[in-house]
Amino acid sequence: KAGVTQTPRYLIKTRGQQVTLSCSPISGHRSVSWYQQTPGQGLQFLFEYFSETQRNKGNFPGRFSGRQFSNSRSEMNVSTLELGDSALYLCASSWISWREKLFFGSGTQLSVL
Amino acid sequence: DQQVKQNSPSLSVQEGRISILNCDYTNSMFDYFLWYKKYPAEGPTFLISISSIKDKNEDGRFTVFLNKSAKHLSLHIVPSQPGDSAVYFCAASAETGETSGSRLTFGEGTQLTVNP
Repeated sequence: KAGVTQTPRYLIKTRGQQVTLSCSPISGHRSVSWYQQTPGQGLQFLFEYFSETQRNKGNFPGRFSGRQFSNSRSEMNVSTLELGDSALYLCASSWISWREKLFFGSGTQLSVL
Repeated sequence: DQQVKQNSPSLSVQEGRISILNCDYTNSMFDYFLWYKKYPAEGPTFLISISSIKDKNEDGRFTVFLNKSAKHLSLHIVPSQPGDSAVYFCAASAETGETSGSRLTFGEGTQLTVNP
């Protein structure tokens, strides 16, 4: 069974631009979560989608948004990029239960210059 | 407000010895705890979990201990192997019901180095 796939692996953007990251969950998984990892901060929860609906949201500004498609694939969008948005963005999927362990992708490393 | 804290950014141990990674939390609503391991250029992988109704869970070389009164959990790795060298994250979640979805609160991570 293929794992969680995130594209692209690396991105370089400049301040003010917007970016879209993509995540394909494990086949059959319906829940997709997004996390931001920065040095010394651990992983910060962004949001979680289940059956195309945002089910939970973290404490990030409205510039961070996401969506989930009917095939459970998910995209995350960041508008008006700031230098502080430079981070590793991780996507994780699980089947259905909100207490299941998460399976993470390798992440998208975003650098904002 | 860092609700889950791993106070040791790094830990170095000799191969064959015990590794003990610690994690503290402040939110008394947390009732499910997990440990993840992360290698460079890879996503975190699940290691072991524990529910608040238990105080210990064991899986092979890995044991997680939970002290609810102290709001403290620890991961023991015995014996430690060089392949265990990675960043270890503890994470916690609170009972919110299925309709509220999943949300993990992670610590900052501890870099474990196991020396041959």
